[in-house]
Amino acid sequence: DAGVIQSPRHEVTEMGQEVTLRCKPISGHNSLFWYRQTMMRGLELLIYFNNNVPIDDSGMPEDRFSAKMPNASFSTLKIQPSEPRDSAVYFCASSRDSTSGSPLHFGNGTRLTVT
Amino acid sequence: KQEVTQIPAALSVPEGENLVLNCSFTDSAIYNLQWFRQDPGKGLTSLLLIQSSQREQTSGRLNASLDKSSGRSTLYIAASQPGDSATYLCAVVGAAGNKLTFGGGTRVLVKP
Repeated sequence: DAGVIQSPRHEVTEMGQEVTLRCKPISGHNSLFWYRQTMMRGLELLIYFNNNVPIDDSGMPEDRFSAKMPNASFSTLKIQPSEPRDSAVYFCASSRDSTSGSPLHFGNGTRLTVT
Repeated sequence: KQEVTQIPAALSVPEGENLVLNCSFTDSAIYNLQWFRQDPGKGLTSLLLIQSSQREQTSGRLNASLDKSSGRSTLYIAASQPGDSATYLCAVVGAAGNKLTFGGGTRVLVKP
């Protein structure tokens, strides 16, 4: 299995631009998570989906952030408009099912820099 | 609100020494605890998962213990090697659902 695939690996954009991050979870995994990692705050859960349905988006920092999962094999995280403080590494992760006993598999992340 | 703490934030040991990494959490009502490894520029790799009913898990040179009542877990890495150099993070799944709360990690350097 190719694992969780994220694109792009790096994204540099100017403040005010729209940014779209993409994720393909492991085939057969029903839960998908978006995390953000910064030096100051560590890893923060932004939102997670079970069977393509958003379950908890309480970690989404502002209305500028939105996430979708149109099908079981694809999810996007969008920031519009982007701001310099959004600069971070964004990780997507998936697990086999919604029970608590499944380990999480992470993608390699998207490093976002907003200038 | 669950809080997960890892101390120390960084650790340097000579090759061959055993590593002991600590993790503490404030709410003992957890479903499981996971240990991850993160290499620079990479995502996290799951190392061990301990269910709340278990006291330890082992995989090769790695052993993780869980003391739920005291809110602690320890990751032991026997006979450390330079390839073990990485950041190690622990995370707990709370009773409320499927969300992992992460500690800040311990950055480990194993010197040859």
